[in-house]
Amino acid sequence: GQNIDQPTEMTATEGAIVQINCTYQTSGFNGLFWYQQHAGEAPTFLSYNVLDGLEEKGRFSSFLSRSKGYSYLLLKELQMKDSASYLCAVKDSNYQLIWGAGTKLIIKP
Amino acid sequence: GAVVSQHPSWVICKSGTSVKIECRSLDFQATTMFWYRQFPKQSLMLMATSNEGSKATYEQGVEKDKFLINHASLTLSTLTVTSAHPEDSSFYICSASTPGRDTEAFFGQGTRLTVV
Repeated sequence: GQNIDQPTEMTATEGAIVQINCTYQTSGFNGLFWYQQHAGEAPTFLSYNVLDGLEEKGRFSSFLSRSKGYSYLLLKELQMKDSASYLCAVKDSNYQLIWGAGTKLIIKP
Repeated sequence: GAVVSQHPSWVICKSGTSVKIECRSLDFQATTMFWYRQFPKQSLMLMATSNEGSKATYEQGVEKDKFLINHASLTLSTLTVTSAHPEDSSFYICSASTPGRDTEAFFGQGTRLTVV
């Protein structure tokens, strides 16, 4: 079966760095996405990786290793507004999105 | 980016009645639409995947006779919650995508359903 795993919850301190991991087992791979979702709102797109390596976008970076079925989202200089859920999703061989359950990130002052 | 419009944003209905939620892709053709449900303080839960012109694929544990999904056109999918009960109260979100390697999923604004 297809499966995406990410931690249920993480806690970090304002100003620090946090890494949210995502491992996947899917039938084929056509890219991995990270989304951010604040409570009561729709998710917003953060990043897309299809080749191995690190993609940097401001305070957020996303890494992919296809051979390991692994990705992480790195958040630097954490701000209180970064408290949200972070969703990992993979497009399989049929270009269907397979979603992880999300990681709830709690930022403490 | 592409726009997905979801309507209504919130709805209150009486127990036993049915509620229809619409999801429209405004400036692109969405061959696939996803419906999610999210309970307070929990992550998105995929309910079903619908492809235009075919029957929806429901996730395990989701009653297809209770949550009717129609995707009759490339720009519109509807979710009907039939005979709603208070436990169906939740945040329902749709997303739409097109085939292709790097196209992201675009989300509607979500619908907050309260069944009283």
